[in-house]
Amino acid sequence: DARVTQTPRHKVTEMGQEVTMRCQPILGHNTVFWYRQTMMQGLELLAYFRNRAPLDDSGMPKDRFSAEMPDATLATLKIQPSEPRDSAVYFCASGLVQAGITTMNTEAFFGQGTRLTVV
Amino acid sequence: AQSVTQLDSQVPVFEEAPVELRCNYSSSVSVYLFWYVQYPNQGLQLLLKYLSGSTLVKGINGFEAEFNKSQTSFHLRKPSVHISDTAEYFCAVRNAGGTSYGKLTFGQGTILTVHP
Repeated sequence: DARVTQTPRHKVTEMGQEVTMRCQPILGHNTVFWYRQTMMQGLELLAYFRNRAPLDDSGMPKDRFSAEMPDATLATLKIQPSEPRDSAVYFCASGLVQAGITTMNTEAFFGQGTRLTVV
Repeated sequence: AQSVTQLDSQVPVFEEAPVELRCNYSSSVSVYLFWYVQYPNQGLQLLLKYLSGSTLVKGINGFEAEFNKSQTSFHLRKPSVHISDTAEYFCAVRNAGGTSYGKLTFGQGTILTVHP
């Protein structure tokens, strides 16, 4: 059963510390998304990649957040330094997307999320 | 740019009553449409999707949605809800073309609460 795997599931850290969240997308998917979910803002798109290249990271605070795909099986989201306002659930999702080719498209499959608490 | 508006932040209903969760979108390119459900402390699961073809799509758990291009809407319906349908529901659109094809944007969510 293919699924998106996120680690860790929970993370508590002190303000100022570096946090790295990892995501293993479903094999064969060419698009990876990072979302942040909070009560106040709902689901916010932080960044998304296609074929490992970043397409849009405009939703990400550039001074402290960074997202990368070192290879096709791993996506990372890093916060350095972390702040209490970064406390949220971070979701990774992957899908297969081909422009204009409906039969080659899938929906986005979501991981279980990383619940981050910065104290 | 694209956006999704879910018109109701909370919808309370009684068990076995019908329900409609409303979703409107705006986009300068053609889109695909999705409804996801999120149960407490879990990730998002796909309920149904519209990519092409028939505008009435059926999903899991008895849900269905109708794509209305002229009204740019994709409302979710269920004729008879159960207690277990209590969850948060998200409407989403994904660009089918343009330079940012594949970008997936969500609405703010609608919390459906089913009362006995």
